[in-house]
Order: sequence, then structure tokens, then C-alpha cells
Amino acid sequence: KNQVEQSPQSLIILEGKNCTLQCNYTVSPFSNLRWYKQDTGRGPVSLTIMTFSENTKSNGRYTATLDADTKQSSLHITASQLSDSASYICVVSAGNTDKLIFGTGTRLQVFP
Amino acid sequence: DAGVIQSPRHEVTEMGQEVTLRCKPISGHDYLFWYRQTMMRGLELLIYFNNNVPIDDSGMPEDRFSAKMPNASFSTLKIQPSEPRDSAVYFCASSPFHEQFFGPGTRLTVL
Repeated sequence: KNQVEQSPQSLIILEGKNCTLQCNYTVSPFSNLRWYKQDTGRGPVSLTIMTFSENTKSNGRYTATLDADTKQSSLHITASQLSDSASYICVVSAGNTDKLIFGTGTRLQVFP
Repeated sequence: DAGVIQSPRHEVTEMGQEVTLRCKPISGHDYLFWYRQTMMRGLELLIYFNNNVPIDDSGMPEDRFSAKMPNASFSTLKIQPSEPRDSAVYFCASSPFHEQFFGPGTRLTVL
């Protein structure tokens, strides 16, 4: 069964600190992996998309890694800001279609 | 570009009523997706279209749900009759190929 699991479910950090969110997946065949940021009351916004051959991709203070052998990905946030408070959703695309399998997300709260 | 446009943003209705959610995708995007998001189940794909043709509707929960895309710039998701368990945020997303762009969502409350 195609599944995407994320950890932790929620995380609280202080402004300026770094943090890492984890994503494990069992999706076959694998097409690509995405990280989305979803602010409260808004739709998800894409942060990164990685294909099988990519093992790291950055978008500003966000850096995603992918280990296709172990089927794991991480999202590292550097020098966190209050605006980073949001849910971060790991999404894996299966096969040749654009059908996405969503993780349940990590709820990040950044406090001053 | 204004991005994906959804209407209404909020809908409150009574059980048994028909509900129609609307979506205008980003111009030029060939794919359109309807999702439902709840606290318990997270984001779930309901149906998606490619070039106005429904490709996969396996996520549609039951016959009470239907979706149409009469042209490249408009899609609807209809629930008839609505039930309290349909209360959720419904997102529409469009995509040129891989990256999906989400609308702001419609928060549906069925009393």
C-alpha cells in the first residue's frame, strides 16, 4: 500500500533555531517527492520538488534531502522565523500520473 | 495571474441541501484536481481531470459527489444531498505537469 508518514506530528521551536522534519514513504513506482507549506486557512504552497536522481534541493532557508534507497526525505529549516509557523506536508507522486499521496503533515510553531 | 480561484470561500448549509463548489484554474494548466482536507484524514484527492476529461475519480467518496469540467477554465464539485460528515475544506489545484498550484479552498459546514 502506498503510504507517506511524517514525523514529528508537531514541533515547537524558538525563533532563529534550526529544525528538521522527516518523511518516510512506501510508494511504488516512485516519480517525485514534494514538500508543501500550508499556512493556516490557506492552500498548500510548493517548496521543493525532487525526482529520483536528486538528493538535495534548496529554496531559500529550506533544504530538502532525498534518499531513494531508504525511501526517506527530510526538510531542514535554517534560522527559523515566525512566518515559518505552518504545516509542512510531504507528498509523493506515484507512477507516470500526477496522482499524489499525501503525508499527514508536521505542524511547526515558531515562538519568539 | 490571479492563481487558482475558488468560490465560495465559505459555505454553510443544512443537511440534505445541494452544494456546488466552483473552481477556475490557472490559464494554460492541463490538469485540475479536487481535494478534501479534514483534521482526521488530512488532504485526500477526490478526482482529477486532464484536458477537461476525468482521469481518476476513485477518491470520490460516494455517489452523492460529482464533478464536472465543461471547459478549460471552469470546474464544479457538487454534493447532493449534503451530510454533516461532508464538512471539510475543499481545495482545487491546477498543474501544467508536475507542480500543483492550490486555490485558497472552500470551507464547507453542513449542519
